[in-house]
Amino acid sequence: NAGVTQTPKFQVLKTGQSMTLQCAQDMNHNSMYWYRQDPGMGLRLIYYSASEGTTDKGEVPNGYNVSRLNKREFSLRLESAAPSQTSVYFCASSPDRGLGNSPLHFGNGTRLTVT
Amino acid sequence: AQKITQTQPGMFVQEKEAVTLDCTYDTSDPSYGLFWYKQPSSGEMIFLIYQGSYDQQNATEGRYSLNFQKARKSANLVISASQLGDSAMYFCAMRELYGNNRLAFGKGNQVVVIP
Repeated sequence: NAGVTQTPKFQVLKTGQSMTLQCAQDMNHNSMYWYRQDPGMGLRLIYYSASEGTTDKGEVPNGYNVSRLNKREFSLRLESAAPSQTSVYFCASSPDRGLGNSPLHFGNGTRLTVT
Repeated sequence: AQKITQTQPGMFVQEKEAVTLDCTYDTSDPSYGLFWYKQPSSGEMIFLIYQGSYDQQNATEGRYSLNFQKARKSANLVISASQLGDSAMYFCAMRELYGNNRLAFGKGNQVVVIP
């Protein structure tokens, strides 16, 4: 099983460019998440989707949009990239809708640099 | 407000010794779950162990155990018999029942195992 697959692995953008980070999971999970990781900051939640057709803002949603295309796929879009969005982006999924003991399964991350 | 606090500086531990990583959390929700993840230098996020707020016993998974002190709101990770492959960042995370299934992370603890 592939688990959670993120593409691309690396990306360099110029300020103002747009791009979409793709994420797909093959575990039939209900919930999907996008996090960013910056040095010394841990992981911060950007957006999440508790189920197909729903999305909600996390801790740091400004400058991002998401689409839960279907149960498998959850994409993250940067409409006008800024240097402050240079980060490592992780997609994750979990089977739960409510509180549960199921851990999040993470993709391998996308390293994004905005110049 | 920060919900998960990990304040230890980088730690060096001798191979085969035990190491304890501190994690304190803040919540008024009676139902919550605590997770620990490992992130080696390769970057992937690896789930280690889970503790539920109503669990009567401390969680254990192989060489990992959780010292859960609910009244003190702490959930320290203990790694016994450290191995070179344990060198990594370790993140504590919490999911609250009324937190819409979001997983909030601490800033991490760096561990280096020396031979």
